[in-house]
Amino acid sequence: DVKVTQSSRYLVKRTGEKVFLECVQDMDHENMFWYRQDPGLGLRLIYFSYDVKMKEKGDIPEGYSVSREKKERFSLILESASTNQTSMYLCASSLMAGGYHEQFFGPGTRLTVL
Amino acid sequence: DAKTTQPTSMDCAEGRAANLPCNHSTISGNEYVYWYRQIHSQGPQYIIHGLKNNETNEMASLIITEDRKSSTLILPHATLRDTAVYYCIVRGGGTSYGKLTFGQGTILTVHP
Repeated sequence: DVKVTQSSRYLVKRTGEKVFLECVQDMDHENMFWYRQDPGLGLRLIYFSYDVKMKEKGDIPEGYSVSREKKERFSLILESASTNQTSMYLCASSLMAGGYHEQFFGPGTRLTVL
Repeated sequence: DAKTTQPTSMDCAEGRAANLPCNHSTISGNEYVYWYRQIHSQGPQYIIHGLKNNETNEMASLIITEDRKSSTLILPHATLRDTAVYYCIVRGGGTSYGKLTFGQGTILTVHP
């Protein structure tokens, strides 16, 4: 079974802090994704990566950056956390970008920024 | 990607079939229909996908109408653990990076 793990289930940070969210997948998937999920807004794509050191902006990249130094690991960075970044963050991976490959999601990290 | 419309909520008795509808009237020829679900406090879970033929796997069946403008996800024998939000998503296979656009979904409640 594909396993996508995220570093924390719950995280509380203060405004202005730099925050790192880590995601690891164990199935040698090419693609990895970071979404955030908010009530009434559904899931929104922040960034994705289709290869090591490659990244592309999603729909809402402002205030975030990402890093993919190894194939299995994809990090989301909040450079200076703000209260409007309080959300559920979900990482996903899939075998390939094109085609019809399903995405496998991690359990999510619920981030609260005070 | 085509927009989808789903009922906000549905109920189902345990052991009965749950039939979740989805309208996607603007679907284009190369777009697939995907279903995911999200159980409370967990990440979304892939269920099934199809293009125009009906599909079945160990979790569910997917029935797509001949004109492809709507589909139904069928959970043949719903259990309490099937209580979740179910998302119907339409996505083209040629979409550049495989972004999934989740709408509001249908809250399915399975009761004893």
